[in-house]
Amino acid sequence: AQSVTQLGSHVSVSEGALVLLRCNYSSSVPPYLFWYVQYPNQGLQLLLKYTTGATLVKGINGFEAEFKKSETSFHLTKPSAHMSDAAEYFCAVSDHGGATNKLIFGTGTLLAVQP
Amino acid sequence: DAGVIQSPRHEVTEMGQEVTLRCKPISGHNSLFWYRQTMMRGLELLIYFNNNVPIDDSGMPEDRFSAKMPNASFSTLKIQPSEPRDSAVYFCASSFGPLPTGELFFGEGSRLTVL
Repeated sequence: AQSVTQLGSHVSVSEGALVLLRCNYSSSVPPYLFWYVQYPNQGLQLLLKYTTGATLVKGINGFEAEFKKSETSFHLTKPSAHMSDAAEYFCAVSDHGGATNKLIFGTGTLLAVQP
Repeated sequence: DAGVIQSPRHEVTEMGQEVTLRCKPISGHNSLFWYRQTMMRGLELLIYFNNNVPIDDSGMPEDRFSAKMPNASFSTLKIQPSEPRDSAVYFCASSFGPLPTGELFFGEGSRLTVL
């Protein structure tokens, strides 16, 4: 069965610093991978996704992620953090190898940005 | 365009009472998902529908939970009787076309507190 593991439930960075949020996946089929962001009191929204093709994927708000099959990773990065990036970030993998299609979410990483 | 609309946004009820949460998906979307979010368990998929038909309800906790989708523009999640451990934020999400390549659009959630 597919699964994702997010390392670090809380990450704190200074404004302007690099953001790195870690995600490792387990999948019995070529994975489709996603990052979603949740701002306070809101639903989740898609940041970026990897399905096939280029392994470096760019998303909204300056975020990008790189699919590394050899490391079974899909880490999310942003070169320079902004205060507005403070939110919870969820990595997800698609469970498309079986009879149903659904997203399996990680436990989330809460990003704090210090002034 | 209107996004996924959920109601109520907040509900406080007493143990044993019936709770009904409502969702209107984005027009034209043919898949609908109910998720539950808690601090302890993170984001859990409860059930999902494709073309109004329940496809996977393996995440529904127990018989106290039921979900219906009588038409393409409306779904309900019912808890009867409610218990304090049901306290959580319940999200509805919809997508067009099959996952995994489709994007999930989330509502703002219904925060349920069972006393």
